[in-house]
Amino acid sequence: QKEVEQNSGPLSVPEGAIASLNCTYSDRGSQSFFWYRQYSGKSPELIMFIYSNGDKEDGRFTAQLNKASQYVSLLIRDSQPSDSATYLCAVNGLVDNNNDMRFGAGTRLTVKP
Amino acid sequence: NAGVTQTPKFQVLKTGQSMTLQCAQDMNHNSMYWYRQDPGMGLRLIYYSASEGTTDKGEVPNGYNVSRLNKREFSLRLESAAPSQTSVYFCASSERPPLHFGNGTRLTVT
Repeated sequence: QKEVEQNSGPLSVPEGAIASLNCTYSDRGSQSFFWYRQYSGKSPELIMFIYSNGDKEDGRFTAQLNKASQYVSLLIRDSQPSDSATYLCAVNGLVDNNNDMRFGAGTRLTVKP
Repeated sequence: NAGVTQTPKFQVLKTGQSMTLQCAQDMNHNSMYWYRQDPGMGLRLIYYSASEGTTDKGEVPNGYNVSRLNKREFSLRLESAAPSQTSVYFCASSERPPLHFGNGTRLTVT
């Protein structure tokens, strides 16, 4: 059974702090990893994706992948109230299509002014 | 450029009623997907279509049928709605990762 596990939260951080969101997955053959942000009542939107071990940075966001530990994380630097949302971790057994994508239940992040 | 458009946005059904959720994309994507999202469960794949004319079951297909009408449109049908099908339904499309989601349909079955 493939599973993607996330702490449901809520995770609360003060404005300007670093928010750290974590995700573990059970399928060791997983190939691609995604973080989506979902505001309340809205659809998920892609924040980051990562395929290789290590870190990938995009602006205030850094995705970290450790395939040996089956662990992927998302760091948000200089957190803003507008970052308050649910963050979904998604793990795909394939690289070139989405037919094997599995989602975690999401971590709710609150950034307090 | 509308992206992925779903209709309706909200729907209330009585147990046993049927309905079809509509989805259309204008990005010329080959693959389209239907997910449901329930509290504490994450997004779960119901059905997908890798290309026009093909459909495949996902993780939770029971109680649903789909039609890939053409490359743009992928509909989801509930033949006899049950309270367990109360959920938020998202359509998505892609050519390759990532997924592009529609705005969702909130369905309540009483």
